[in-house]
Amino acid sequence: NAGVTQTPKFQVLKTGQSMTLQCAQDMNHNSMYWYRQDPGMGLRLIYYSASEGTTDKGEVPNGYNVSRLNKREFSLRLESAAPSQTSVYFCASRGVASYEQYFGPGTRLTVT
Amino acid sequence: EDQVTQSPEALRLQEGESSSLNCSYTVSGLRGLFWYRQDPGKGPEFLFTLYSAGEEKEKERLKATLTKKESFLHITAPKPEDSATYLCAGLNQAGTALIFGKGTTLSVSS
Repeated sequence: NAGVTQTPKFQVLKTGQSMTLQCAQDMNHNSMYWYRQDPGMGLRLIYYSASEGTTDKGEVPNGYNVSRLNKREFSLRLESAAPSQTSVYFCASRGVASYEQYFGPGTRLTVT
Repeated sequence: EDQVTQSPEALRLQEGESSSLNCSYTVSGLRGLFWYRQDPGKGPEFLFTLYSAGEEKEKERLKATLTKKESFLHITAPKPEDSATYLCAGLNQAGTALIFGKGTTLSVSS
């Protein structure tokens, strides 16, 4: 039981390049989330998916797109990376029985 | 605007020296208050959920409490392995989003 997994762990992009961050959970959770964490800013919600087939914007969605591929997987895409998107990205999931969210290990992204 | 504020930003303790971390919130219709622990380079690890004022939860040396305006994480006789950043988050009224504070970084020295 791996919980929430994220790939890659580290990534360096040049401005304007695109990439997709992958997230998968094996806890049969319905809801999944993408956050970014910046020094001095705390965790901020980018997008979430309350259930398979639905996605909604969070606090900071600009510059990102998401896909809920199936119940297990939720990906985050940067179409044209900018230095302001340098951050640590966390995926999380939660089940229907409670509101606790469980987090993955994170992806550290640097955009130069 | 929903907001969660944690204090202090950093706290240094000697092993065995008990203290408390504060989390004050202005989240309209708060559905729950969550505490997480985050080690360097890792994702947040869930500790506690509190749903109503007066509620308390304990786990080893940690105890979380909730009032109508704030939550406290009490650390009793801490050990060096308790060193981490502790995050507080409020669940919004719709139940769709956690609003996180910036965290308190705790260092416990032996």
